[in-house]
Amino acid sequence: DVKVTQSSRYLVKRTGEKVFLECVQDMDHENMFWYRQDPGLGLRLIYFSYDVKMKEKGDIPEGYSVSREKKERFSLILESASTNQTSMYLCASSRQGFAGSTQYFGPGTRLTVL
Amino acid sequence: GENVEQHPSTLSVQEGDSAVIKCTYSDSASNYFPWYKQELGKRPQLIIDIRSNVGEKKDQRIAVTLNKTAKHFSLHITETQPEDSAVYFCAASMAHTGGFKTIFGAGTRLFVKA
Repeated sequence: DVKVTQSSRYLVKRTGEKVFLECVQDMDHENMFWYRQDPGLGLRLIYFSYDVKMKEKGDIPEGYSVSREKKERFSLILESASTNQTSMYLCASSRQGFAGSTQYFGPGTRLTVL
Repeated sequence: GENVEQHPSTLSVQEGDSAVIKCTYSDSASNYFPWYKQELGKRPQLIIDIRSNVGEKKDQRIAVTLNKTAKHFSLHITETQPEDSAVYFCAASMAHTGGFKTIFGAGTRLFVKA
Protein backbone atom coordinates (compact mmCIF):
# COMPACT_ATOMS: atom_id res chain seq x y z
CA ASP A 1 0.00 0.00 0.00
CA VAL A 2 1.50 3.31 -1.09
CA LYS A 3 2.05 5.73 1.70
CA VAL A 4 2.67 9.43 1.24
CA THR A 5 3.03 11.47 4.41
CA GLN A 6 3.37 15.17 5.01
CA SER A 7 5.09 16.72 8.00
CA SER A 8 2.15 18.75 9.27
CA ARG A 9 -1.64 18.74 8.81
CA TYR A 10 -2.04 22.33 9.99
CA LEU A 11 0.49 25.14 10.10
CA VAL A 12 0.19 28.79 11.09
CA LYS A 13 3.01 31.15 10.18
CA ARG A 14 3.59 34.88 10.11
CA THR A 15 4.26 37.00 7.04
CA GLY A 16 7.95 36.96 6.14
CA GLU A 17 8.74 33.68 7.88
CA LYS A 18 10.56 30.89 6.07
CA VAL A 19 8.35 27.82 5.85
CA PHE A 20 9.33 24.22 5.17
CA LEU A 21 6.78 21.62 4.10
CA GLU A 22 8.07 18.08 3.91
CA CYS A 23 6.76 15.07 2.03
CA VAL A 24 7.92 11.47 2.29
CA GLN A 25 6.87 8.47 0.20
CA ASP A 26 7.71 4.85 0.83
CA MET A 27 7.16 3.31 -2.61
CA ASP A 28 10.46 4.14 -4.25
CA HIS A 29 8.66 6.41 -6.73
CA GLU A 30 10.80 8.48 -9.05
CA ASN A 31 8.30 11.34 -9.48
CA MET A 32 7.18 13.69 -6.75
CA PHE A 33 4.93 16.73 -7.02
CA TRP A 34 3.77 19.70 -4.98
CA TYR A 35 0.35 21.23 -5.61
CA ARG A 36 -1.70 23.90 -3.94
CA GLN A 37 -5.45 23.51 -3.75
CA ASP A 38 -7.75 26.52 -3.62
CA PRO A 39 -11.55 26.57 -3.94
CA GLY A 40 -12.63 26.89 -7.56
CA LEU A 41 -9.08 26.56 -8.87
CA GLY A 42 -8.50 22.86 -8.49
CA LEU A 43 -4.99 21.52 -8.04
CA ARG A 44 -2.27 23.76 -9.37
CA LEU A 45 1.23 22.40 -9.86
CA ILE A 46 3.97 24.32 -8.07
CA TYR A 47 7.04 22.16 -8.70
CA PHE A 48 7.79 18.57 -9.57
CA SER A 49 10.81 16.32 -9.56
CA TYR A 50 11.51 13.21 -11.58
CA ASP A 51 14.77 12.26 -9.89
CA VAL A 52 16.97 13.09 -6.96
CA LYS A 53 18.36 16.61 -7.18
CA MET A 54 16.19 17.28 -10.24
CA LYS A 55 13.39 19.81 -10.20
CA GLU A 56 11.07 21.38 -12.73
CA LYS A 57 8.85 24.41 -12.37
CA GLY A 58 5.13 23.87 -12.57
CA ASP A 59 2.50 26.46 -13.36
CA ILE A 60 2.84 28.65 -10.24
CA PRO A 61 6.44 28.43 -8.94
CA GLU A 62 6.79 32.08 -7.91
CA GLY A 63 7.52 32.47 -4.22
CA TYR A 64 8.40 28.79 -3.80
CA SER A 65 11.46 26.60 -4.07
CA VAL A 66 11.98 22.87 -3.61
CA SER A 67 14.62 20.42 -2.53
CA ARG A 68 15.03 16.74 -3.29
CA GLU A 69 18.18 15.41 -1.67
CA LYS A 70 16.85 11.88 -1.24
CA LYS A 71 14.53 9.88 -3.46
CA GLU A 72 11.86 9.46 -0.81
CA ARG A 73 11.72 13.07 0.34
CA PHE A 74 10.55 16.22 -1.43
CA SER A 75 10.48 19.52 0.42
CA LEU A 76 8.61 22.69 -0.48
CA ILE A 77 10.10 25.94 0.80
CA LEU A 78 8.41 29.31 1.12
CA GLU A 79 11.36 31.68 1.41
CA SER A 80 9.28 34.56 2.78
CA ALA A 81 5.69 33.60 3.45
CA SER A 82 2.96 35.96 2.32
CA THR A 83 -0.78 35.99 3.05
CA ASN A 84 -1.60 34.97 -0.53
CA GLN A 85 0.19 31.70 0.13
CA THR A 86 -2.47 30.68 2.60
CA SER A 87 -3.75 27.45 1.07
CA MET A 88 -3.94 23.67 1.22
CA TYR A 89 -0.70 22.10 -0.01
CA LEU A 90 -0.75 18.57 -1.38
CA CYS A 91 2.23 16.41 -2.13
CA ALA A 92 2.01 13.45 -4.53
CA SER A 93 4.26 10.75 -5.91
CA SER A 94 4.15 8.39 -8.86
CA ARG A 95 6.32 5.90 -10.62
CA GLN A 96 8.33 6.92 -13.63
CA GLY A 97 6.82 6.90 -17.09
CA PHE A 98 6.52 9.16 -20.07
CA ALA A 99 2.91 8.16 -20.58
CA GLY A 100 1.72 9.27 -17.18
CA SER A 101 0.83 7.17 -14.15
CA THR A 102 -1.30 7.24 -11.02
CA GLN A 103 -0.39 9.90 -8.51
CA TYR A 104 -0.67 9.05 -4.83
CA PHE A 105 -1.41 12.02 -2.64
CA GLY A 106 -0.47 12.89 0.89
CA PRO A 107 -3.09 14.08 3.41
CA GLY A 108 -2.33 17.74 2.78
CA THR A 109 -1.01 20.60 4.88
CA ARG A 110 -3.35 23.50 5.51
CA LEU A 111 -1.09 26.55 5.80
CA THR A 112 -2.33 29.84 7.17
CA VAL A 113 -0.09 32.90 6.84
CA LEU A 114 -1.05 35.77 9.14
CA GLY B 1 -0.09 27.07 -22.17
CA GLU B 2 -1.66 23.80 -21.19
CA ASN B 3 -5.17 24.03 -19.82
CA VAL B 4 -7.94 21.68 -18.69
CA GLU B 5 -11.48 22.99 -18.41
CA GLN B 6 -14.04 21.06 -16.36
CA HIS B 7 -17.81 21.42 -16.26
CA PRO B 8 -20.02 21.72 -14.36
CA SER B 9 -18.46 23.13 -11.21
CA THR B 10 -21.37 21.80 -9.14
CA LEU B 11 -23.73 18.93 -9.90
CA SER B 12 -26.68 17.77 -7.86
CA VAL B 13 -28.49 14.51 -8.71
CA GLN B 14 -31.05 12.25 -7.11
CA GLU B 15 -29.85 8.90 -5.82
CA GLY B 16 -30.07 6.35 -8.62
CA ASP B 17 -29.71 8.90 -11.40
CA SER B 18 -26.66 9.24 -13.63
CA ALA B 19 -24.03 11.97 -13.39
CA VAL B 20 -21.81 13.21 -16.20
CA ILE B 21 -18.76 15.45 -15.85
CA LYS B 22 -17.04 16.84 -18.92
CA CYS B 23 -13.50 18.06 -19.53
CA THR B 24 -11.62 19.55 -22.44
CA TYR B 25 -7.86 19.88 -22.77
CA SER B 26 -5.67 22.11 -24.88
CA ASP B 27 -2.41 20.20 -25.38
CA SER B 28 -2.75 17.66 -28.18
CA ALA B 29 0.31 15.85 -26.82
CA SER B 30 -1.70 14.77 -23.77
CA ASN B 31 -1.82 10.98 -23.63
CA TYR B 32 -3.10 9.99 -20.20
CA PHE B 33 -6.35 11.12 -18.59
CA PRO B 34 -6.97 10.18 -14.95
CA TRP B 35 -9.96 11.03 -12.77
CA TYR B 36 -9.58 11.61 -9.05
CA LYS B 37 -12.21 11.64 -6.32
CA GLN B 38 -11.72 13.72 -3.20
CA GLU B 39 -14.09 13.18 -0.31
CA LEU B 40 -14.49 15.90 2.27
CA GLY B 41 -11.35 16.28 4.35
CA LYS B 42 -9.52 13.51 2.53
CA ARG B 43 -6.84 13.24 -0.11
CA PRO B 44 -7.62 12.81 -3.84
CA GLN B 45 -7.62 9.22 -5.00
CA LEU B 46 -7.63 7.78 -8.50
CA ILE B 47 -10.94 6.21 -9.50
CA ILE B 48 -10.40 5.53 -13.20
CA ASP B 49 -8.04 6.49 -16.00
CA ILE B 50 -7.81 6.19 -19.76
CA ARG B 51 -4.93 6.34 -22.19
CA SER B 52 -4.98 8.04 -25.57
CA ASN B 53 -5.11 4.79 -27.55
CA VAL B 54 -8.47 3.85 -25.99
CA GLY B 55 -11.85 5.47 -26.58
CA GLU B 56 -13.78 4.14 -23.62
CA LYS B 57 -13.17 2.35 -20.34
CA LYS B 58 -15.60 1.04 -17.78
CA ASP B 59 -15.29 -0.10 -14.17
CA GLN B 60 -18.58 -1.15 -12.59
CA ARG B 61 -20.71 2.02 -12.26
CA ILE B 62 -18.00 4.32 -13.58
CA ALA B 63 -17.04 4.88 -17.21
CA VAL B 64 -14.80 7.32 -19.02
CA THR B 65 -14.91 8.26 -22.69
CA LEU B 66 -12.24 10.03 -24.71
CA ASN B 67 -12.54 11.90 -27.99
CA LYS B 68 -9.01 12.81 -29.05
CA THR B 69 -10.11 14.71 -32.13
CA ALA B 70 -12.26 17.03 -30.06
CA LYS B 71 -9.83 16.98 -27.10
CA HIS B 72 -12.71 16.05 -24.89
CA PHE B 73 -13.19 13.40 -22.20
CA SER B 74 -16.02 12.64 -19.81
CA LEU B 75 -16.78 10.74 -16.60
CA HIS B 76 -20.07 8.89 -16.34
CA ILE B 77 -21.40 7.58 -13.03
CA THR B 78 -24.52 5.44 -13.20
CA GLU B 79 -26.89 4.50 -10.39
CA THR B 80 -25.43 7.17 -8.14
CA GLN B 81 -25.29 6.57 -4.39
CA PRO B 82 -24.86 9.03 -1.49
CA GLU B 83 -21.26 7.84 -1.05
CA ASP B 84 -20.51 9.14 -4.54
CA SER B 85 -20.84 12.67 -3.12
CA ALA B 86 -17.38 14.23 -3.42
CA VAL B 87 -15.29 16.56 -5.55
CA TYR B 88 -14.12 14.99 -8.81
CA PHE B 89 -11.07 16.19 -10.71
CA CYS B 90 -10.20 15.38 -14.29
CA ALA B 91 -6.60 15.69 -15.45
CA ALA B 92 -4.49 15.46 -18.58
CA SER B 93 -0.89 14.29 -18.61
CA MET B 94 1.75 14.87 -21.22
CA ALA B 95 5.42 14.00 -21.53
CA HIS B 96 7.74 16.58 -20.03
CA THR B 97 11.46 16.81 -19.46
CA GLY B 98 12.49 13.60 -17.75
CA GLY B 99 8.97 12.45 -17.02
CA PHE B 100 5.44 13.76 -17.37
CA LYS B 101 3.38 16.72 -16.29
CA THR B 102 -0.25 16.64 -15.17
CA ILE B 103 -2.73 19.48 -15.47
CA PHE B 104 -5.88 19.25 -13.35
CA GLY B 105 -9.31 20.67 -13.97
CA ALA B 106 -10.90 22.95 -11.38
CA GLY B 107 -13.10 20.18 -9.99
CA THR B 108 -16.79 19.27 -9.87
CA ARG B 109 -18.60 19.06 -6.57
CA LEU B 110 -21.14 16.25 -6.87
CA PHE B 111 -24.06 16.03 -4.46
CA VAL B 112 -26.13 12.86 -4.49
CA LYS B 113 -29.43 13.37 -2.69
CA ALA B 114 -30.91 10.37 -0.93
